[in-house]
Amino acid sequence: AQSVTQLGSHVSVSEGALVLLRCNYSSSVPPYLFWYVQYPNQGLQLLLKYTSAATLVKGINGFEAEFKKSETSFHLTKPSAHMSDAAEYFCAVSQTGANSKLTFGKGITLSVRP
Amino acid sequence: DAGVTQSPTHLIKTRGQQVTLRCSPKSGHDTVSWYQQALGQGPQFIFQYYEEEERQRGNFPDRFSGHQFPNYSSELNVNALLLGDSALYLCASSLGGSPPYEQYFGPGTRLTVT
Repeated sequence: AQSVTQLGSHVSVSEGALVLLRCNYSSSVPPYLFWYVQYPNQGLQLLLKYTSAATLVKGINGFEAEFKKSETSFHLTKPSAHMSDAAEYFCAVSQTGANSKLTFGKGITLSVRP
Repeated sequence: DAGVTQSPTHLIKTRGQQVTLRCSPKSGHDTVSWYQQALGQGPQFIFQYYEEEERQRGNFPDRFSGHQFPNYSSELNVNALLLGDSALYLCASSLGGSPPYEQYFGPGTRLTVT
């Protein structure tokens, strides 16, 4: 079984401030981990993925995430928030092997204050 | 290169009716997964099709069924619609034989059941 916990439903930061969105996972086998972003009335866009190579993963739009097995975490960060980063962010886990379904967290809404 | 496309964009149905949603995968992809995203929630896995067969299924009743065609496009059918079926239905495509089965999402179909 696999699951994802995203603590807090809403994060608000000032433009230029650090963005930190938390994600903890549970998986009975080594996982693949993903962060997706969803803008209003749109589908999901992949930000970055962890696939058992480097533990620090860089994605699009300046985002990065670090896989920490000991903490079962995969938190998303960005050094300096931009107004265009305001969106819904989802952490997801899938298993290695043929069972590739994605299990998503509930999502975090990121607001960016000018 | 066309990404994942879905039709229709929006749909309004009445309780008890049946609905069919359509998805065309990203060029070169052979696997299609369907997700249901209720308002304010993360997407929930419905099922996945690979080589025209249902390969995995989530915790959804038999009212939800699907099909994959030889050109890899897919349909999601929902019978006996309930008010609770109102949601954004997302289609995602991937390469079935290539871990980590990175999934690309379409813009979704917004289904409203009245």
